[in-house]
Amino acid sequence: QITLKESGPTLVKPTQTLTLTCTFSGFSLTTSGVGVGWIRQPPGKALEWLALIYWDDDKRYSPSLKSRLTITKDTSKNQVVLTMSNMDPVDTATFYCAQKDYYASGSFNYWGQGTLVTVSS
Amino acid sequence: DIVMTQSPDSLAVSLGERATIHCKSSQTVLYTSNNKNYLAWYQQKPGQPPKLLIYWASTRESGVPDRFSGSESGTDFTLTISSLQAEDVAIYYCQQYYNIPYTFGQGTKLEIK
Repeated sequence: QITLKESGPTLVKPTQTLTLTCTFSGFSLTTSGVGVGWIRQPPGKALEWLALIYWDDDKRYSPSLKSRLTITKDTSKNQVVLTMSNMDPVDTATFYCAQKDYYASGSFNYWGQGTLVTVSS
Repeated sequence: DIVMTQSPDSLAVSLGERATIHCKSSQTVLYTSNNKNYLAWYQQKPGQPPKLLIYWASTRESGVPDRFSGSESGTDFTLTISSLQAEDVAIYYCQQYYNIPYTFGQGTKLEIK
């Protein structure tokens, strides 16, 4: 079955760079149409899409955060890494990674459990 | 950006009754080449990640009970739960995946009356 799991620091200081890893199983990021995205959710608030990387290394970013985000993949390790620079307390959120199949549902079929990142000095 | 506006923000429905949640997109999410609306509905229970319920506006994800249905009329989308069960208490989000940035509605909190 398909699983995804986010890992990374639970606490970062303002101005630091956050690095999160999504480790997945049950699918390959070399399969045509498949992508992995990142979505965040501040406590008690709505979901916000951040970035997406496809099987062919096509990368998409939220324009409002593009200057701070980098998404990469390591297909040999079944991992996708998101970095977010210049972290601020308003970036405190649960970060989710999720699988997207462009040719199937087109939307985010499978989600990790999420990891809460707190930004505080 | 495409703005997704859900209504109501919260909703209380009696067990066994119908629950209806609305979502309006600020512009079309319909690809005329394949006649599909790039609109999904998710359910999120406390402490859990979102769960995909509906995609292409009206296609139920595998394993989702058939009391959940989605419909569309232009840029107006509706999620209907035909007979509310206790386990349906959650926050529901619509999301468009037509354009970057993908955007979500603000969420609708569904409770039992």
